[in-house]
Amino acid sequence: EVQLLESGGDLVQPGGSLRLSCAASGFTFNNYAMTWVRLAPGKGLEWVSAISPSGTNTYYADSVKGRFTISTDTSTNTLYLQMSSLRAEDTAVYYCAKNYNTNSHSTLDYWGQGTLVTVSS
Amino acid sequence: EIVLTQSPATLSLSPGERATLSCRASQSVSRSLDWYQQKPGQAPRLLLYDASTRATGIPARFSGSGSGTDYTLTISSLEPEDFAVYYCQQRSNWPLTFGGGTKVEIK
Repeated sequence: EVQLLESGGDLVQPGGSLRLSCAASGFTFNNYAMTWVRLAPGKGLEWVSAISPSGTNTYYADSVKGRFTISTDTSTNTLYLQMSSLRAEDTAVYYCAKNYNTNSHSTLDYWGQGTLVTVSS
Repeated sequence: EIVLTQSPATLSLSPGERATLSCRASQSVSRSLDWYQQKPGQAPRLLLYDASTRATGIPARFSGSGSGTDYTLTISSLEPEDFAVYYCQQRSNWPLTFGGGTKVEIK
């Protein structure tokens, strides 16, 4: 059974940093691209970032480019999102999702339950 | 960036009724379009991919159609568990984008 468990969400001040983790199990982590998506209060889903299985290719929404970094640790089957220079508009529930195959733009077939990031002073 | 416009924003229907949700793209996405369902406090769930293929375990009352820039999600007869927010997402161009969502609420 595919399981994705996010952690690391917290209350952080504007300009601060935070690292989110997503522990994956139930599938061969090395064989799939992975993605982060967020849901801000009162808003719709927003695609944030994706990474290829090898980690060679990474993709970012314009709203986070230069501030967020996606990465993986294949030894622990963990997906990360390093967030810096955080803004109030980054406040959201962050979901990690498994891609359908190796393509970073493939369908998101499994999702975690999300972790809440609140950016406020 | 491809903009996806979903309509209506809210759909008020009764159980047993038919729901028709629209997703219009600012340029062709060549059927690289998926639909997700999200209930409050829950993770999104994949319903349909490639515009019309049901994901594993999705009931037959959910169907999708469309091509080019215009796509439709149809729920043939609403069950109580279908009241939720529905999102379309395009995978044709970077950055990937979601529509603003359609909330299907009980009338």
